[in-house]
Amino acid sequence: DIQMTQSPSSLSASVGNRVTITCRARQSISSHLNWYQQKPRKAPKLLIYAASSLQTGVPSRFSGSGSGTDFTLTISSLQPEDFATYYCQQSYSSPFTFGQGTRLEI
Amino acid sequence: EVQLLESGGGLVQPGGSLRLSCAASGFTFSSYAMSWVRQPPGRGLEWVSTISDSGRSTYYTDSVKGRFTISRDNSKNTLYLQMNSLRAEDTAVYFCSKFPSSGYHVGDAFDVWGQGTVVTVSS
Repeated sequence: DIQMTQSPSSLSASVGNRVTITCRARQSISSHLNWYQQKPRKAPKLLIYAASSLQTGVPSRFSGSGSGTDFTLTISSLQPEDFATYYCQQSYSSPFTFGQGTRLEI
Repeated sequence: EVQLLESGGGLVQPGGSLRLSCAASGFTFSSYAMSWVRQPPGRGLEWVSTISDSGRSTYYTDSVKGRFTISRDNSKNTLYLQMNSLRAEDTAVYFCSKFPSSGYHVGDAFDVWGQGTVVTVSS
């Protein structure tokens, strides 16, 4: 299984801040990396697929980059509704595995 | 509007069985692969199983192989997960999710999710 490691595990920030979350794969996964947002007691929501493609309907303040083993999710200007937990997920090989999550707090 | 609605969760004793259902609407269900993803209390996400659009191909994470069976009824737009020999470590919220293609393909993401159903395995 491909292990995915996110950093940091938790992050405190303020509205308007620029925030970056990192995801590292144990082996190269090309650009097969997806990002999800999950709010408490809600289902995850797909934000970014294929490392840098914005899912339809997702605000442009979200962006993704990277390839190989190192990836980043950036939120350019935090909004109140962005405080949530973020997960990366590789879709390079089965089983498709997730990172442990990054909790973004005020 | 694309929607997935899970049901069938509940409290079950270790060794027991449960069948989850996921009713789909707002898209052509028979054209897409579907999956179950679970989340233990206070923990992260874990892929459980995927089924191709036709139902002919199925895939499982190692920890549930031989105990869980994924299936679908395309005439009813419904996905199922039959869970047997349940263990305490199967306790989780189970989410139904959709893939953007017909199978379990490299590069796919879980693009639509249901709200989840809670499964608790305890005596």
